[in-house]
Amino acid sequence: ETGVTQTPRHLVMGMTNKKSLKCEQHLGHNAMYWYKQSAKKPLELMFVYNFKEQTENNSVPSRFSPECPNSSHLFLHLHTLQPEDSALYLCASSPLGANTEAFFGQGTRLTVV
Amino acid sequence: GDSVTQMEGPVTLSEEAFLTINCTYTATGYPSLFWYVQYPGEGLQLLLKATKADDKGSNKGFEATYRKETTSFHLEKGSVQVSDSAVYFCALKSDRDDKIIFGKGTRLHILP
Repeated sequence: ETGVTQTPRHLVMGMTNKKSLKCEQHLGHNAMYWYKQSAKKPLELMFVYNFKEQTENNSVPSRFSPECPNSSHLFLHLHTLQPEDSALYLCASSPLGANTEAFFGQGTRLTVV
Repeated sequence: GDSVTQMEGPVTLSEEAFLTINCTYTATGYPSLFWYVQYPGEGLQLLLKATKADDKGSNKGFEATYRKETTSFHLEKGSVQVSDSAVYFCALKSDRDDKIIFGKGTRLHILP
């Protein structure tokens, strides 16, 4: 248990659906991250938030929309996804500073049908 | 931009063998370096870290030394166990922003 909780753990959605992934941490961290992990591809950094402000958007398609209402919660809103978006989506949090590690949630396994 | 390169897997070893997984990085400034491990069906867990040149991180028999002159952070273990079977990721965290960049991961299989 890392202190970072992601829900749901598994999600199957159609290409016309709208769904949201949730991430929650009560570790007092001020940086939060979304990563995409696909089979046979590197772990891809999608978004970074510092103190609720987005500081990185790694050329992610607009069908992925992040939201960070406070330092403890991070959402990833999904709409009109494609089958190639099926992946494990990992949330992480970290204290600010170069020498601090990230703590990961267990991920949401997303399947787009 | 910053990047991490690690050896391709899978790596298959017998129990009690010596393990090395190579990792090199490219970064401006003075990043911190990490090894993470991912067991099936789980998220990533920190295995060890080093925050400055010549630091050695260690945990559970694993070690890695931050080598600035060769921009490397190779993971080693003297005697692996079946329970070490997992995917291992090398990563860096920039000192200019809070981005954490990962290598592609190396799958390790340990045979009994």
